[in-house]
Amino acid sequence: DAGVIQSPRHEVTEMGQEVTLRCKPISGHNSLFWYRQTMMRGLELLIYFNNNVPIDDSGMPEDRFSAKMPNASFSTLKIQPSEPRDSAVYFCASSVRGLIYSGNTIYFGEGSWLTVV
Amino acid sequence: QKEVEQNSGPLSVPEGAIASLNCTYSDRGSQSFFWYRQYSGKSPELIMSIYSNGDKEDGRFTAQLNKASQYVSLLIRDSQPSDSATYLCAVTRMNSGGYQKVTFGTGTKLQVIP
Repeated sequence: DAGVIQSPRHEVTEMGQEVTLRCKPISGHNSLFWYRQTMMRGLELLIYFNNNVPIDDSGMPEDRFSAKMPNASFSTLKIQPSEPRDSAVYFCASSVRGLIYSGNTIYFGEGSWLTVV
Repeated sequence: QKEVEQNSGPLSVPEGAIASLNCTYSDRGSQSFFWYRQYSGKSPELIMSIYSNGDKEDGRFTAQLNKASQYVSLLIRDSQPSDSATYLCAVTRMNSGGYQKVTFGTGTKLQVIP
């Protein structure tokens, strides 16, 4: 099992540039999550997809952030334009049964470390 | 009030001692509770889950849940330096859309001193 695969692992970009983060969930998992982690705010859920459909995007901070899941094996998180306060670790995670059942286990990717200067 | 609260630590314990990590949550409707371990620079990994009141043991780890008091704890017996990490408490609750939403605490940093 390859696990959740994220790219890039590290990105440094200038303020105002577009950033695209990519994620391949574990094969067979029907739910995908994008989280952001910072020292101050911890791990925050940005958006959650179930069967490729966005279910809960209430955590997306503002219109500069967008996420897509065109198929079951690929998702993107885009920030345009990027700002220094977007600097964080962005984790993609997937699960096999979605959030409608108790006891769901979420598997995290290694994260994308974003620095906006 | 935060939905899930943890003391940020660091919590320092000597090797071989019992480490006790605590977490409180605000929503009485919360249904599932998890402990994740996160090493520095790495992603969180699930170590324990608990769904009903009482204790659940897995090796050196014991999770304890008290829904009346709205807290969940993690005990690590015979602490090892390799247990040094940040421990995240996660709680699920049903949201308005009928889905269970997972909320994480900010984590407690544990340091096991050799």
